[in-house]
Amino acid sequence: QTVVTQEPSFSVSPGGTVTLTCGLSSGSVSTSYYPSWYQQTPGRPPRTLIYSTNTRSSGVPDRFSGSILGNKAALTITGAQADDESDYYCVLYMSSAMVFGGGTKLTVL
Amino acid sequence: EVQLVQSAAEVKKPGESLKISCKGSGYTFTSHWIGWVRQMPGKGLEWMGIISPGDSDTRYSPSFQGQVTISADKSISTAYLQWSSLKASDTAMYYCARRGNSYDGSGYYESRNWYFDLWGRGTLVTVSS
Repeated sequence: QTVVTQEPSFSVSPGGTVTLTCGLSSGSVSTSYYPSWYQQTPGRPPRTLIYSTNTRSSGVPDRFSGSILGNKAALTITGAQADDESDYYCVLYMSSAMVFGGGTKLTVL
Repeated sequence: EVQLVQSAAEVKKPGESLKISCKGSGYTFTSHWIGWVRQMPGKGLEWMGIISPGDSDTRYSPSFQGQVTISADKSISTAYLQWSSLKASDTAMYYCARRGNSYDGSGYYESRNWYFDLWGRGTLVTVSS
């Protein structure tokens, strides 16, 4: 069974730029997997950030952007802020199912 | 207001049955699939399955097939997740979420573009003897 992979943790300085990635244990991620990204802070439901690889959900600031980088989907946060400290999950469409990655815990310090 | 309202937290014993709900409002309920996502304590999000409320077409993750049942009653704009015999390992937060609809540049519906655009606040299920 193909696993969706994410970095377990990442850190970024306030004002800095960070790129989180979403890959496959076997194969490459392309736009055909329709990658989407979600942000979750403790005790709260997830919030949709990006869908269709690079389309920002309503109300999401443009410092969040999505792309394909090499063989992975990527979420880039430009000008990181303290309240960006959260867990970030990617989801890929695979064979009439949605598969979540394990999530990346982002620390802003 | 467009929203998904989930049922209240539940405390159950192993072996008991349970059905939790997710009521959509502010939009045409049958126009969007509804999915369920599990989050065990301190763990990540897991996709369980999804249902089309209009025709009850349902898809399950292989990990959850046979373990839960997803259903919907379009007459009351409500989707359900149910267990026939709970286990302690079912203790988790369960979120329902609405699948967004997207269209390509030519206006064609992208049937494989599965993403969630609206989330419920979650239902905490605790199973303990």
